[in-house]
Amino acid sequence: AQSVTQLDSQVPVFEEAPVELRCNYSSSVSVYLFWYVQYPNQGLQLLLKYLSGSTLVKGINGFEAEFNKSQTSFHLRKPSVHISDTAEYFCAVRNQIIFSGGYNKLIFGAGTRLAVHP
Amino acid sequence: EAEVAQSPRYKITEKSQAVAFWCDPISGHATLYWYRQILGQGPELLVQFQDESVVDDSQLPKDRFSAERLKGVDSTLKIQPAELGDSAMYLCASRPAGADTQYFGPGTRLTVL
Repeated sequence: AQSVTQLDSQVPVFEEAPVELRCNYSSSVSVYLFWYVQYPNQGLQLLLKYLSGSTLVKGINGFEAEFNKSQTSFHLRKPSVHISDTAEYFCAVRNQIIFSGGYNKLIFGAGTRLAVHP
Repeated sequence: EAEVAQSPRYKITEKSQAVAFWCDPISGHATLYWYRQILGQGPELLVQFQDESVVDDSQLPKDRFSAERLKGVDSTLKIQPAELGDSAMYLCASRPAGADTQYFGPGTRLTVL
């Protein structure tokens, strides 16, 4: 079974400081990895995804993430945050291989609340 | 830009009442998902449709929850009767064939009193 662990439930940071949101996953097979952002009372918006190729993935709003297969991690980073980055961030994983008769579901972590202070 | 539509955005009901949520996916998206997101947690899949067929409802509490997508376009999720523990955000998402990205709607926040 797959699982996703977001190591920090809350991350406070000052505006223009760098930030890293940590994500580790567990899976016995190769996976696709995603980061979504959720602003208050809104749905989820895709920030970036890793499917294959380069392990450094760039997304929207200046975010990037690095896939580390040996450490089963997919940490999200931004070199300089803005007040508007205050939101909930979710890491998610899905199997690459679709098993016969199966449909692979997206498994989410519990989320990390990023609070950017002036 | 096309978006997933959901209504209502907010719903307050009393326990034992029936509630229904509606989702209109992005046009042409064959796969539709309903998720439940309890406060402080990540979304959890309740049911997945491929066109009008249910392909995964393993986490749907079938004694009180039902979902349908009769013409393979829009979908309705129903709870009857609602319980206090059903208070959550209910998210709908859709995905085009062959793609990896799911597109989420704004959600319906349900409060059961």
